[in-house]
Amino acid sequence: GIQVEQSPPDLILQEGANSTLRCNFSDSVNNLQWFHQNPWGQLINLFYIPSGTKQNGRLSATTVATERYSLLYISSSQTTDSGVYFCAVQDRGSTLGRLYFGRGTQLTVWP
Amino acid sequence: EAQVTQNPRYLITVTGKKLTVTCSQNMNHEYMSWYRQDPGLGLRQIYYSMNVEVTDKGDVPEGYKVSRKEKRNFPLILESPSPNQTSLYFCASSFSWSLNNQPQHFGDGTRLSIL
Repeated sequence: GIQVEQSPPDLILQEGANSTLRCNFSDSVNNLQWFHQNPWGQLINLFYIPSGTKQNGRLSATTVATERYSLLYISSSQTTDSGVYFCAVQDRGSTLGRLYFGRGTQLTVWP
Repeated sequence: EAQVTQNPRYLITVTGKKLTVTCSQNMNHEYMSWYRQDPGLGLRQIYYSMNVEVTDKGDVPEGYKVSRKEKRNFPLILESPSPNQTSLYFCASSFSWSLNNQPQHFGDGTRLSIL
């Protein structure tokens, strides 16, 4: 299956700082999503972004499908941004609709 | 409100006692699937369904059963649970597996502990 690599694995920030999370994938995709898993375990859908750029408040994401990577930007981070951020992709060649998840970036934001 | 609803959210039970985790979506989605999340292994697909009465195995189907008798429901059945099925489970759905531009929507998760 398609390989999904996220970096960095861990990130510690002070409140107010900006950050960039990266997701590399090994093959063409027709679906890419960014999720935030909060401390209660819920997976919150942040972006559906197989290509292009989207913004939602302090968060934005860019996917360059031809170069097989996506970036998630968090500006003016808050303590509530803490948690694990996952990138998940659907292989363009897949007929199963399966999402392949990266291992995630553990973000900790200190006050 | 469009959502995927899983029940229960938390369950502690014993080895061998059959259990069912329910999943329901109100978006008229064709595609539904189950994932499990384990430390160090990430999220892995257990089973999926492309439509009513159409189901198939994902990456880790052993010890699980599913059914899709109605479009909105996709229960996960553990006939004889064992401790290695202790995990965080997610149900997901999307409009269609075959179309582009179809994000998957996830339920809030079910934490199962099998003693």
